[in-house]
Amino acid sequence: DAGVIQSPRHEVTEMGQEVTLRCKPISGHNSLFWYRQTMMRGLELLIYFNNNVPIDDSGMPEDRFSAKMPNASFSTLKIQPSEPRDSAVYFCASSLRSSPGQDGYTFGSGTRLTVV
Amino acid sequence: GESVGLHLPTLSVQEGDNSIINCAYSNSASDYFIWYKQESGKGPQFIIDIRSNMDKRQGQRVTVLLNKTVKHLSLQIAATQPGDSAVYFCAENRGNDMRFGAGTRLTVKP
Repeated sequence: DAGVIQSPRHEVTEMGQEVTLRCKPISGHNSLFWYRQTMMRGLELLIYFNNNVPIDDSGMPEDRFSAKMPNASFSTLKIQPSEPRDSAVYFCASSLRSSPGQDGYTFGSGTRLTVV
Repeated sequence: GESVGLHLPTLSVQEGDNSIINCAYSNSASDYFIWYKQESGKGPQFIIDIRSNMDKRQGQRVTVLLNKTVKHLSLQIAATQPGDSAVYFCAENRGNDMRFGAGTRLTVKP
């Protein structure tokens, strides 16, 4: 298994531009999570999906952030418009169980986003 | 203005010594805990987990101890190796999602 695949690995964009981060979870995993990691705040949960349905998006910082999971093998996190304070490493993780917390998460390698 | 980031606790050990990394969790209702290892430029990697009905669990060179009375978790690494150098996170299950601690940076000196 290739694990959780994220793209791109690095993204540099100008303030105001739209950014789309992509994630392919492990096949057969029912839950998908988006995390953001910064020096200031550490690892923060942004949103998670169970069986493609968003369950909790309370961690999404603002309306500029949106996430979708159109099918079991693909998810996107979009920032529009992007701002310099969005600069961070964004991780996607997936989990086998439909009730997270009964199994460990598998993380992707992350997307390092820099907004200038 | 000056930016203030997380000041990760750090632990420096000699190669071959045992390491103990500590973590305090916040929710007494949490029933599942995981330790993750994150190397530079990579995502967190699962090391070992423990459920709240246990107080100790052992893996290969690693042991996790859980003290629910004081809401404390520890990770013990035996015979620490240079490849163990990383940031270690504890995570607690809160309802249907995992919340991560700030992390501890482990440095292994040859």
